[in-house]
Amino acid sequence: AQTVTQSQPEMSVQEAETVTLSCTYDTSESDYYLFWYKQPPSRQMILVIRQEAYKQQNATENRFSVNFQKAAKSFSLKISDSQLGDAAMYFCAYRVPNTGNQFYFGTGTSLTVIP
Amino acid sequence: EAQVTQNPRYLITVTGKKLTVTCSQNMNHEYMSWYRQDPGLGLRQIYYSMNVEVTDKGDVPEGYKVSRKEKRNFPLILESPSPNQTSLYFCASSSGTLSSYEQYFGPGTRLTVT
Repeated sequence: AQTVTQSQPEMSVQEAETVTLSCTYDTSESDYYLFWYKQPPSRQMILVIRQEAYKQQNATENRFSVNFQKAAKSFSLKISDSQLGDAAMYFCAYRVPNTGNQFYFGTGTSLTVIP
Repeated sequence: EAQVTQNPRYLITVTGKKLTVTCSQNMNHEYMSWYRQDPGLGLRQIYYSMNVEVTDKGDVPEGYKVSRKEKRNFPLILESPSPNQTSLYFCASSSGTLSSYEQYFGPGTRLTVT
């Protein structure tokens, strides 16, 4: 069975600094999608960034970027110039290809931003 | 405004009393899903649907039912709720490859079963 592992239940970062959240996954597929979602205290799930496995280039969205290592099945999220509004729970997610949209999520990393 | 709506947002019920949580999206998305979120366990998929009348079990389908009679609606049914179904529930919808299967989530339904 496919699994997604986030080994850091909690992380903290100083405001304006950089932090990296780790995610590993297990799959035997070659083409798939990976996602990072943010969940602030409001509980709303917000897409941060997505990566298509067949694309070699790491995805970037403003201050958010990923380090996608396909062979290692690793998908870490880097947040640069951290802001107070980045404080949230972050979830890594894997979409199983060739299904009706089956997804697996990690257990989440709670990020605290220290002023 | 493009959105996924869920009702009710909060529900306290008793063991065995059937309930339905509604989910509706106005984006004409093919795919819809239900998840439950529990502390330390992340989000776990209950059921998913790729179109009308097509549904599949996710990771934790026991104790739940779904139906997809219309493209925009995907209700979650608990025929006989039990306390272990106390959780935060999310509905989500997404389109296909053009949007890279990005999921849009509803605001969540906090369910307590006593």
